[in-house]
Formats: sequence, C-alpha cells, structure tokens
Amino acid sequence: DIQMTQSPSSLSASVGDRVTITCRASQSISSYLNWYQQKPGKAPKLLIYAASGLQSGVPSRFSGSGSGTDFTLTISSLQPEDFATYYCQQSYSTLITFGQGTRLEIK
Amino acid sequence: EVQLVESGGGLVQPGGSLRLSCAASGFTFSSYNMNWVRQAPGKGLEWVSYISSTSSAIYYADSVKGRFTISRDNAKNSLYLQMNSLRDEDTAVFYCASGSYTTGMDVWGQGTTVTVSS
Repeated sequence: DIQMTQSPSSLSASVGDRVTITCRASQSISSYLNWYQQKPGKAPKLLIYAASGLQSGVPSRFSGSGSGTDFTLTISSLQPEDFATYYCQQSYSTLITFGQGTRLEIK
Repeated sequence: EVQLVESGGGLVQPGGSLRLSCAASGFTFSSYNMNWVRQAPGKGLEWVSYISSTSSAIYYADSVKGRFTISRDNAKNSLYLQMNSLRDEDTAVFYCASGSYTTGMDVWGQGTTVTVSS
C-alpha cells in the first residue's frame, strides 16, 4: 500500500496567517493527490483535486501544489471557518489511502 | 439538490452482519463511480471500497477484503455495502461518496454509524 504522511499533525495559527500543510507519499503518485477539509461531526469536503485543481465553490485562498511524492496545501489568509482537520488522499493506486490528518487550531 | 443519504447502521455483535445503503438524488447516479469511506471514533479517514459506474471495477481495502461486499443498483439510484464477520475494529461512521480516481470524492453523505460490540 502507498503510505501518506502529513506534517504537521497539528498546527496552531491565527486569523489572517498563511498556512502550509505538507503531504508525502511513500512512492511516486504523479498528481493523483486530493485534499479534504473536515469539521467536527461533519462529512469531509473536497478542496483540491489532482494536486492543484480547485474544487468548484472552494475559496481561492486554498491552493495545492506538488507532484511525485511531495505535495502542499496552502491557505493564503486563514479565516475563522478554516479551523478544521485536513486530509490528503492518494488515488494513484486502486487501494486508496488517506494521510493521518492535520488538525488546524486557533492560536 | 445533489444528495447522498446513508442508512442501515446500528449496533451489532462481533461476528454479525449488517447491510448499509446509500440513496442518491439530484444527479445521474448511473454515471458516477462510488466509494465507501469510514472513520473510527476519534480517528482519521479510511477508504473501504470502490465501485465503478457500471460495477465493472470493484476494489476493497485489505482490512475488509473477503468480509465486505460493495454493490449498486443504478435503477434504484442506490449503493450498498454488505458487511459480514464484523469485528470490534469495524466500529465507525461509514460515509458513501461519489467520485473517481481522477476527480476526488466530491459528494459525501452525512454518514451512518456502525457499532460492533457485545
């Protein structure tokens, strides 16, 4: 199985901050990398697909980059509604795997 | 409105069986690939299974292979997950989600809770 490792596991930041979350794959996954946001008690929400594609309806402050094994999710200016847990997910392999999650908290 | 609604969760004893359903509305269900994803209490997301739009391709996570069966009925706009030989570690919220390997999982249901306990 392809292992996905996110860093950091948790992060404290303030409204207006620029935040970057990293996801590393255990082998090359080309650009088959998606990012999700999940708030407590809610279903995940797709933010970024194919490493850098912004899902319809998602604010432009969210962006994704990377290919191969290293990927990043950047939030350019944190808003109060962005405090949540973020997951990366690879779909290069037929056995889909998620990262362990990054919890973004208010400082 | 595009919507997925799961049902069928509940309390079951170890070794028991349960069948989850996911009802789709607001989009052409028969054109979309579907997934089941679960989340154990306080834990991260775990992909469980995938089925293509025509059921021609089906994949399972190693943790459920041989115990779970995914299926769909396009005439009824419904997705299913038959779960047998349930274990304590299968306790989770189960989500159905539409999406392919290239587009990500873009529509999710609200989830249904499965508790395996004696």
